[in-house]
Amino acid sequence: KNEVEQSPQNLTAQEGEFITINCSYSVGISALHWLQQHPGGGIVSLFMLSSGKKKHGRLIATINIQEKHSSLHITASHPRDSAVYICAVSNYGQNFVFGPGTRLSVLP
Amino acid sequence: GAGVSQSPRYKVAKRGQDVALRCDPISGHVSLFWYQQALGQGPEFLTYFQNEAQLDKSGLPSDRFFAERPEGSVSTLKIQRTQQEDSAVYLCASTPGRVSNQPQHFGDGTRLSIL
Repeated sequence: KNEVEQSPQNLTAQEGEFITINCSYSVGISALHWLQQHPGGGIVSLFMLSSGKKKHGRLIATINIQEKHSSLHITASHPRDSAVYICAVSNYGQNFVFGPGTRLSVLP
Repeated sequence: GAGVSQSPRYKVAKRGQDVALRCDPISGHVSLFWYQQALGQGPEFLTYFQNEAQLDKSGLPSDRFFAERPEGSVSTLKIQRTQQEDSAVYLCASTPGRVSNQPQHFGDGTRLSIL
C-alpha cells in the first residue's frame, strides 16, 4: 500500500463544474502539500496545510488530520485548470512523499 | 526570473553513456532536493542537500547515481552507465530553510531519454 494515495486517477469535467480531488495518507505528517504540474513538467506549489482549510481564488484545500485525508476543490472550473494535481506529505526534517497524481481535463 | 533553473531541459543519451544534470536553486536557498518522476507517476525522492552536505541519499536507486553540491549552491546529478530504466523526468527543488516542512520551489525538470 502506497503511503500517499489519490482519487480519482483521471478526471474529465465540463467547464464550470465543481471539482474535488481526494488524498489519503498513512504516515505521520507535519504538513500536506497540494501541487500543480502542467505538461512540460513544471510544478507549482498551491497549498501547504497542517490543519483546517485554506482558500486561494477558486481553489480550496481542506485537511482532516484525524482521518488522514485531504481534499482539493476547484470551483467554476476552467480549461486552464487542466493539469496533474499532486498531493505530497512532509515530516519535519524529511523529504516529500508524493501521491501518484490526478490528471484533470476541463473541457470547454 | 529568480526561480529554480535546470539544464538541459531535454537530454537524449545512448545506453551506457554517462549524463550530468544541473540544478541552479534560488539564490540563498539552503535545502535542495532531487526527485525522479517516471511517466504517469508522481515524483520519487532521490537525495537531499543542506548547503553542501548531502544529508540523505537513500532514494538513489543504485551506485550509478551520484549527486554533489560542492559550494552549497549549484547541484549536479550524475548518472553513470545509463540504462533504459533511467528514462524519466528529473526534478530539482529548493527551500529557504533547513527542513522540508516548507513549500518547495521546483524547477521545470530535465527529461532524460535513454535509447
